[in-house]
Amino acid sequence: QKEVEQDPGPLSVPEGAIVSLNCTYSNSAFQYFMWYRQYSRKGPELLMYTYSSGNKEDGRFTAQVDKSSKYISLFIRDSQPSDSATYLCAMERSNDYKLSFGAGTTVTVRA
Amino acid sequence: DTGVSQDPRHKITKRGQNVTFRCDPISEHNRLYWYRQTLGQGPEFLTYFQNEAQLEKSRLLSDRFSAERPKGSFSTLEIQRTEQGDSAMYLCASSGGAINQPQHFGDGTRLSIL
Repeated sequence: QKEVEQDPGPLSVPEGAIVSLNCTYSNSAFQYFMWYRQYSRKGPELLMYTYSSGNKEDGRFTAQVDKSSKYISLFIRDSQPSDSATYLCAMERSNDYKLSFGAGTTVTVRA
Repeated sequence: DTGVSQDPRHKITKRGQNVTFRCDPISEHNRLYWYRQTLGQGPEFLTYFQNEAQLEKSRLLSDRFSAERPKGSFSTLEIQRTEQGDSAMYLCASSGGAINQPQHFGDGTRLSIL
């Protein structure tokens, strides 16, 4: 079993819809949680970085962390065709430096 | 802040050849990481530098792989005697300040083995 599980999709939504993405993890030592966006043939781009359980909002993006359930989510409001990409969740232990990634979810926003 | 820069963007080589990739981190970042990403998977950790010191190597990094970061600035990743299984995207990331700061990635070097 992988440390970080992420449904690869693909996920297709109409423009303006809410995109909901999630990851589960098995190692309770993970303390830092990230979401990256990756366009085709590009590197991962950091979207959200959170430490504690709860919600964090940045523009159209909201990240949720539930450490008790070992479950994290990313919501994208008012989705745009430019949001079409692969979204990767990543996690890190405290005082560590290795990121553990999910496999990524491919999202297509239809105009 | 010009971001993490990687060169070349794409490398095509024959099996058995040696290849070298370069990474220039964000200028004030003292931590540098190499990851490998295959199609349909998330990046996997390869190795980590703090300044010029290589502090950890993953078991994924066989003896054919070597990484350096002279003077704690740019880094190189060399693969000797390349094999088909080495075909992947090689990503470099950097971070600064205290540990557990966000890692910022370059656009990677895509390696194709003929």
